Amino acid sequence: SQQGEEDPQALSIQEGENATMNCSYKTSINNLQWYRQNSGRGLVHLILIRSNEREKHSGRLRVTLDTSKKSSSLLITASRAADTASYFCATDKETSGSRLTFGEGTQLTVNP
Amino acid sequence: DTAVSQTPKYLVTQMGNDKSIKCEQNLGHDTMYWYKQDSKKFLKIMFSYNNKELIINETVPNRFSPKSPDKAHLNLHINSLELGDSAVYFCASSQGLRVGFVTGELFFGEGSRLTVL
Repeated sequence: SQQGEEDPQALSIQEGENATMNCSYKTSINNLQWYRQNSGRGLVHLILIRSNEREKHSGRLRVTLDTSKKSSSLLITASRAADTASYFCATDKETSGSRLTFGEGTQLTVNP
Repeated sequence: DTAVSQTPKYLVTQMGNDKSIKCEQNLGHDTMYWYKQDSKKFLKIMFSYNNKELIINETVPNRFSPKSPDKAHLNLHINSLELGDSAVYFCASSQGLRVGFVTGELFFGEGSRLTVL
């Protein structure tokens, strides 16, 4: 089974609205990371949250982590058309470090 | 200056052929990876090298052979290509990790789209 499942699979919003994406995982982690992938491009790291952290901010991004529920959320505030991309969560599992296991991603479309 | 660069960006070939994808990083990182992204955008790790040493091999067929001549380069050679090998292959690197250590931020290349006809 997959470590890191995201919902929704697709999200379409208007510019200026907030976008929330969720990620669930199955095993204990060292950290959880969020990445963005624009169409036809490589993944770009957005934010890393450690297992002992509950919330982290970076610009318009806010990430929360609930280790008791094994879930994380990524909030993008005041979205822009340029935020249109696929967003992936990735977990670094405690039992098998040195690798990230990616979720299936959420396709975010921000309409101008 | 591109941090992680892969070549070629596109590769179209016939079944049964052998092909290679090259990757170089200029970030001074010790660890490099190959990931495969399928048509549904699912990313799966294939290999990881730390300082030229193979540390992860995720039950990838023997037809796939990674080679790391030095810690800045990780190439992927694929023998006897099959239709199911069609995918986007991503190279990535991260800072100085060893097996069992925490994985930090990954830096990805732009991907190499392989199409097997």
